Amino acid sequence: GAVVSQHPSRVICKSGTSVKIECRSLDFQATTMFWYRQFPKQSLMLMATSNEGSKATYEQGVEKDKFLINHASLTLSTLTVTSAHPEDSSFYICSAEPTGVNEQFFGPGTRLTVL
Amino acid sequence: AQSVTQPDIHITVSEGASLELRCNYSYGATPYLFWYVQSPGQGLQLLLKYFSGDTLVQGIKGFEAEFKRSQSSFNLRKPSVHWSDAAEYFCAVGAGGGNKLTFGTGTQLKVEL
Repeated sequence: GAVVSQHPSRVICKSGTSVKIECRSLDFQATTMFWYRQFPKQSLMLMATSNEGSKATYEQGVEKDKFLINHASLTLSTLTVTSAHPEDSSFYICSAEPTGVNEQFFGPGTRLTVL
Repeated sequence: AQSVTQPDIHITVSEGASLELRCNYSYGATPYLFWYVQSPGQGLQLLLKYFSGDTLVQGIKGFEAEFKRSQSSFNLRKPSVHWSDAAEYFCAVGAGGGNKLTFGTGTQLKVEL
């Protein structure tokens, strides 16, 4: 139980284009989902907290107009990287917290490469 | 503000040797503490967690951790390391209930055969 999927697992795009990453909780409902970014050989940095039906809460320094987060249902959150640039290349990981459970379950991550 | 310190960036141990990975945290209330393992290019797998109760926590793959409030520590241990344990290990602290996790910088474990 408590499986989180991400799609796609890898994506390569051209500079200036937008990329959407999906995060799904497969066997539970998640009121809250989280989006992290991880640079090579570094730790996970929280980008934003996504609550179903409301606006995401972004961490300081994260551009909300560049990283659009939508949490339209209790099992799906999406992260859209708009007008991507090479410096946006990174490993993006989502997590989901089942309602009433004080633990986050992590997706397998999405490797974004912007050319 | 909550924070996590993992003092050791890299650790190398011989297969069969014991292992201890250090984690110190800063948190205003009783913390929720976690240890995760990450293989290259993969997501995070939960090894164990501490919320309350017994301060010695058993996890998967033979790992355990001990919560020491007086030292603000939550060190991860394994009595005998296997080559397959080579990976990146992250300690994290949070408040639960939809609140964010703060991760340490990670410790890269290398296992020598």
